[in-house]
Amino acid sequence: ETGVTQSPTHLIKTRGQQVTLRCSSQSGHNTVSWYQQALGQGPQFIFQYYREEENGRGNFPPRFSGLQFPNYSSELNVNALELDDSALYLCASSFAAEQETQYFGPGTRLLVL
Amino acid sequence: LAKTTQPISMDSYEGQEVNITCSHNNIATNDYITWYQQFPSQGPRFIIQGYKTKVTNEVASLFIPADRKSSTLSLPRVSLSDTAVYYCLDTNAGKSTFGDGTTLTVKP
Repeated sequence: ETGVTQSPTHLIKTRGQQVTLRCSSQSGHNTVSWYQQALGQGPQFIFQYYREEENGRGNFPPRFSGLQFPNYSSELNVNALELDDSALYLCASSFAAEQETQYFGPGTRLLVL
Repeated sequence: LAKTTQPISMDSYEGQEVNITCSHNNIATNDYITWYQQFPSQGPRFIIQGYKTKVTNEVASLFIPADRKSSTLSLPRVSLSDTAVYYCLDTNAGKSTFGDGTTLTVKP
């Protein structure tokens, strides 16, 4: 157990809809990163949040957006869902001073029909 | 963010030492080398991290040569529960690019 929790665990949406995924960081961790993991592939970096601001972004379109709250919890929002958005979405938290060591949550499995 | 290269799969037997090697051809000066383990339907779990030379913790050792173009994760005396996917990463300020990982299968 890493202390990082995500909700919901599973979700089914239809193409074109919007989805919000949530992540609670391990206590004291002020940096959160989000990853997308398609079946059979490694996690792909979406973006990172530090002090409630985006602090780096991977190769994902603007319809992927996020928020970080004062208590360091975070949301990932995806608009205009596409079939290829079906994946396991992982969040990882870390201390700003130890960002190389990330603690991952169990993920949210999203299925887009 | 640089992507690493590692073998797709490896097989081993219980009690053996397993070495998984990774290529870091595009590693940057400020990047660390980090290894994660992932079981099905779970998030990756941090194993070990280093910058250069050798690092050892309670579960693994990490060997990094002087040029830092490769790294080797060493798992001593593996058990069936070590069957998982292992990822090597170049990490910079927590921004990481995962490759496709090495699927390690430990047989009895």
